Amino acid sequence: LAKTTQPISMDSYEGQEVNITCSHNNIATNDYITWYQQFPSQGPRFIIQGYKTKVTNEVASLFIPADRKSSTLSLPRVSLSDTAVYYCLVGGPYSGSARQLTFGSGTQLTVLP
Amino acid sequence: NAGVTQTPKFQVLKTGQSMTLQCAQDMNHEYMSWYRQDPGMGLRLIHYSVGAGITDQGEVPNGYNVSRSTTEDFPLRLLSAAPSQTSVYFCASSSRGGEKLFFGSGTQLSVL
Repeated sequence: LAKTTQPISMDSYEGQEVNITCSHNNIATNDYITWYQQFPSQGPRFIIQGYKTKVTNEVASLFIPADRKSSTLSLPRVSLSDTAVYYCLVGGPYSGSARQLTFGSGTQLTVLP
Repeated sequence: NAGVTQTPKFQVLKTGQSMTLQCAQDMNHEYMSWYRQDPGMGLRLIHYSVGAGITDQGEVPNGYNVSRSTTEDFPLRLLSAAPSQTSVYFCASSSRGGEKLFFGSGTQLSVL
């Protein structure tokens, strides 16, 4: 199983760009990298998914270097409502690790006014 | 479109009691899973299923049973509740394992 490591917590101010890095040294060839956001008392919510290089959607960007041993979630111009726990997940539909989608401890992002 | 529905939202049990947490999805997803989340902690995988009739253990399966008789439903059974099983339980599904997971709203379980 691909184990992930993230910072436990991060603070930022409104309007700043936030980058959260996840380390996954033993990622498998067929594994994708997926990021989720979780608010208190709610289930995690999908943010973005990628395999290599860069992926961008309406809420975030995901940067993945060539060796794929890490990934960085980038949140542009955060607001107070972005305060949440962010998880990265490694697994894929065609790899063995797809069956056991295990979450790491996540990163608590706190956005300050 | 309801997505992933979990019932009940809250439950209090006495030690030794058994119960079933219900999970249903209406997206025709092959993959379903159960997680538990303890206060201030991440999610830990209990059991998962890649299709009807197929289940397997996750990280913390002891004390829990699952079955998958239909594509839509994936109930989680607590055989003999213990205080250590006090937690929030989340059910999730995806069209295939490793793709976008959809989560239910959770069941808060307290075992006294």
